[in-house]
Amino acid sequence: AQTVTQSQPEMSVQEAETVTLSCTYDTSESDYYLFWYKQPPSRQMILVIRQEAYKQQNATENRFSVNFQKAAKSFSLKISDSQLGDAAMYFCAYKENYGGSQGNLIFGKGTKLSVKP
Amino acid sequence: DAGVTQSPTHLIKTRGQQVTLRCSPISGHKSVSWYQQVLGQGPQFIFQYYEKEERGRGNFPDRFSARQFPNYSSELNVNALLLGDSALYLCASSLDPGAPRNGELFFGEGSRLTVL
Repeated sequence: AQTVTQSQPEMSVQEAETVTLSCTYDTSESDYYLFWYKQPPSRQMILVIRQEAYKQQNATENRFSVNFQKAAKSFSLKISDSQLGDAAMYFCAYKENYGGSQGNLIFGKGTKLSVKP
Repeated sequence: DAGVTQSPTHLIKTRGQQVTLRCSPISGHKSVSWYQQVLGQGPQFIFQYYEKEERGRGNFPDRFSARQFPNYSSELNVNALLLGDSALYLCASSLDPGAPRNGELFFGEGSRLTVL
């Protein structure tokens, strides 16, 4: 079964600095998606960035970028120029692209990010 | 356009009771998924419905059931509540999770269930 592991329960970063959140996953599939979701205290899961496994180029969304290492099954999130509003729980998630569980997201346990002013 | 809406936002039940949670997807979205998020954990998949049919089911007991209506809204029912059912229940909608390169999930703010 597929699993997603986030080894950092909590991280802290100074405002305007850069922080990297780690995620590893386990799968025997070759076609899948990886996501980073942000969950602020308001509880709503917000998609931060997505990566398709067949694309070698790392995804980037403004201050957010990923380092996708398919062979190592690693998918880290880098947040540049951290802002106070980035403080939240961050979840790494995996989704198969085909098969019976194609709509099913598998989440890690999350990393709580604090941003210090 | 409105996002995914869930009701109620908070509710308290006692052990043995039954609860119904409701979800309205984004307009045009035909798939709804349900997730359970226990405090301090990541969400866990419960059900997925597409075009009113069950597409997937997670590792949850038969006390959990769901359905999708012709307008694509959905209900999650939990019978014989246990203390361990206390959690945030998240609903997510998508266009068609089965379509290749499609099916991004959009989440609601969840229903916080407390079982006493």
